[in-house]
Amino acid sequence: AQTVTQSQPEMSVQEAETVTLSCTYDTSESDYYLFWYKQPPSRQMILVIRQEAYKQQNATENRFSVNFQKAAKSFSLKISDSQLGDAAMYFCAYRNTVLNFGNEKLTFGTGTRLTIIP
Amino acid sequence: DTGVSQDPRHKITKRGQNVTFRCDPISEHNRLYWYRQTLGQGPEFLTYFQNEAQLEKSRLLSDRFSAERPKGSFSTLEIQRTEQGDSAMYLCASSLIAELSSYEQYFGPGTRLTVT
Repeated sequence: AQTVTQSQPEMSVQEAETVTLSCTYDTSESDYYLFWYKQPPSRQMILVIRQEAYKQQNATENRFSVNFQKAAKSFSLKISDSQLGDAAMYFCAYRNTVLNFGNEKLTFGTGTRLTIIP
Repeated sequence: DTGVSQDPRHKITKRGQNVTFRCDPISEHNRLYWYRQTLGQGPEFLTYFQNEAQLEKSRLLSDRFSAERPKGSFSTLEIQRTEQGDSAMYLCASSLIAELSSYEQYFGPGTRLTVT
């Protein structure tokens, strides 16, 4: 079974600075998806960024980028130019690529609460 | 596209009572998922549907839990004889499984259940 570990329960960053959230995972699969989801207080979870394991190039979405280290099974999220609206719980998640029975579920880490200091 | 909606947003019930939650997915989405999120934890998978067929159930889904998706549209999750350990946020998500789709799961706002 796959597992996802987020070792930083809380992080804080000054507005406009850069912060990196860590995630490690364990799987025996060679191809899979990794995700970072953002869950603002009392609001629904939204997808921040997605990485396909077969792609060597790290995914980037505006101020958000990942550092994907497949051999180390590490998948960190970097937020540049942090903004007050970035304050939220951030969850790292894993999903198999094969969309067969039993392979669609997302496996989440325990989350990192990010606070932005004005 | 109005997004995934869930009703109610909050439910307080006494131990032993039955509760039912509803999820309305994005209209063209054929897959619907239920997750449970307890305080300080990430969401945990419960079950999912392809149209009206329930394709997988987690072992977290005890026999007190039942989920349905009649006609492949909205879904309901019922918990019978609630226990305090059932207190959690119940999240619904939907996705479109089709060629060229991203298979991204879109989440609803959740139903927060408190069992007293």
